[in-house]
Amino acid sequence: KAGVTQTPRYLIKTRGQQVTLSCSPISGHRSVSWYQQTPGQGLQFLFEYFSETQRNKGNFPGRFSGRQFSNSRSEMNVSTLELGDSALYLCASSPDGNYGYTFGSGTRLTVV
Amino acid sequence: SQQGEEDPQALSIQEGENATMNCSYKTSINNLQWYRQNSGRGLVHLILIRSNEREKHSGRLRVTLDTSKKSSSLLITASRAADTASYFCATDKSNGNNRLAFGKGNQVVVIP
Repeated sequence: KAGVTQTPRYLIKTRGQQVTLSCSPISGHRSVSWYQQTPGQGLQFLFEYFSETQRNKGNFPGRFSGRQFSNSRSEMNVSTLELGDSALYLCASSPDGNYGYTFGSGTRLTVV
Repeated sequence: SQQGEEDPQALSIQEGENATMNCSYKTSINNLQWYRQNSGRGLVHLILIRSNEREKHSGRLRVTLDTSKKSSSLLITASRAADTASYFCATDKSNGNNRLAFGKGNQVVVIP
């Protein structure tokens, strides 16, 4: 079966712009989580969605937001981009968050 | 907040040798998971061990969990060049709080 698909793979944006990243989970998985990975901070949890509801949220500013659609596909949005937002953004899906996660290949965002 | 912390940070071994990595965490957990990441790509789920389990095997992988010491170890036996990667432990808290807290990762290099 198809894995977790993230689009786009690479993105270059300018400071102040906004960006939307997309994640299609494995069919049947209702939990979708987002993580930010940087060399300095490592892997940090952004938020988790389950059945279109945000169930958990990490310690990120309000510029980071997300949503989940009825087909479980999820998007995350970052507004007013800062240089420090440059990172690999990873999406992970799980049937319900209790059985381990399947990660996508990530979207590498570079803010210039 | 709880966070897995791997030790050591970098490991270089010859093909055929065993590699052992350790992880410690701070608070009670529901389960602990190990992931592998190749060259900044997505994470691959290796193994999940629940808080009521002490040891688990999957192929050449062996994971132990000591909840009294709040620590876990990952052993890769008979390593191969393809095992070269970063390995992360991640803890999943109790109470249905479905977010993973990742450690900083171990870089393992297997020399052919």
